[in-house]
Amino acid sequence: DAGITQSPRYKITETGRQVTLMCHQTWSHSYMFWYRQDLGHGLRLIYYSAAADITDKGEVPDGYVVSRSKTENFPLTLESATRSQTSVYFCASSEGLASYNEQFFGPGTRLTVL
Amino acid sequence: DAKTTQPNSMESNEEEPVHLPCNHSTISGTDYIHWYRQLPSQGPEYVIHGLTSNVNNRMASLAIAEDRKSSTLILHRATLRDAAVYYCILRDAGGTSYGKLTFGQGTILTVHP
Repeated sequence: DAGITQSPRYKITETGRQVTLMCHQTWSHSYMFWYRQDLGHGLRLIYYSAAADITDKGEVPDGYVVSRSKTENFPLTLESATRSQTSVYFCASSEGLASYNEQFFGPGTRLTVL
Repeated sequence: DAKTTQPNSMESNEEEPVHLPCNHSTISGTDYIHWYRQLPSQGPEYVIHGLTSNVNNRMASLAIAEDRKSSTLILHRATLRDAAVYYCILRDAGGTSYGKLTFGQGTILTVHP
């Protein structure tokens, strides 16, 4: 199906473990984004990517790593999970960065770090 | 980024029109006004955007004040499925924003049957 998907939808892990959240889009959008949503902070940008092999930091990148070997995939890795990374993570994609471009969001991954 | 101000919550009855206001008094001349909504347990969803003129699409209408310091999202006939948090967001023309969407607290819309 066309669209943007995320997996897993729910994940429980322990402090110190490595976790990878997957994001896949079928539109061939150049731009992809990772946000986290926490009560009291709204959505905050973690990383974004302008194309395959081009990534850059957003507002809150510490503790996260991204890669983009293929246009359609943009995985987010927590190398050593901490409790403060408990959050809902949303992936998004967009055709461009112009101020009229809309972003399309995935359904989210709810991550709990114990 | 220019900021927006929205009421914390609004209520409506099903099949009635809903007008969701947004103030953005510091908007710059090149900022687009975007609206997104987030249904419970889902990701944000694009609703509509505009620059100066009023805009209509299948989901909603956007009315923009002549001085662009405020706008109103109009849902013509609210349904229960429209119950969500509605975000008014300004997108600047580029620079250092790298496409980031800055979500505020939004307006929680409750629709009564």
